[in-house]
Amino acid sequence: QKEVEQDPGPLSVPEGAIVSLNCTYSNSAFQYFMWYRQYSRKGPELLMYTYSSGNKEDGRFTAQVDKSSKYISLFIRDSQPSDSATYLCAPGNTGRRALTFGSGTRLQVQP
Amino acid sequence: KAGVTQTPRYLIKTRGQQVTLSCSPISGHRSVSWYQQTPGQGLQFLFEYFSETQRNKGNFPGRFSGRQFSNSRSEMNVSTLELGDSALYLCASSFSETYEQYFGPGTRLTVT
Repeated sequence: QKEVEQDPGPLSVPEGAIVSLNCTYSNSAFQYFMWYRQYSRKGPELLMYTYSSGNKEDGRFTAQVDKSSKYISLFIRDSQPSDSATYLCAPGNTGRRALTFGSGTRLQVQP
Repeated sequence: KAGVTQTPRYLIKTRGQQVTLSCSPISGHRSVSWYQQTPGQGLQFLFEYFSETQRNKGNFPGRFSGRQFSNSRSEMNVSTLELGDSALYLCASSFSETYEQYFGPGTRLTVT
């Protein structure tokens, strides 16, 4: 079993839709959580990061962490065609800058 | 502020050769981490350097090595290349006080 599980998709939604991207993890030592967006043939771009359970909002993006159920989510409001990319969740252990990545969910926003 | 830069961007090597990849972190970032990305295994952590010392290491064979210089720039080396080493090699940097990692564009290595 992988430490971080993520539905690979693809997930196709119409422009303007609310998108929910999810990951589950098994390692209780994970204490911080990152979300990255990766366009084809580019490096991952840091979208959101959080160090605790709860919600964190930044513009159209909301990251949600539930440590009790080991479940992390990224919500995208008013999705745009430019949001079409692969989204990667990446938790890590405090004291180590060694992220464990999910396999990524490919999102396609249709105009 | 300039982002993480990696050179070269593309590289083609033959089995058995060795390769050195270079990474320049964001100014002020002293931690540099390396990752390998392949279609089959996804993004996997290779190692992290801070103050010229390797602090953490992933589950890769000893053919994969790295170093960091006093200006925080880092290099990684892969010796005795195998076909399975074909991948996108990504470098990420961060401040020493935080965990947010910022990635460069990667070096795409093809081993033939």
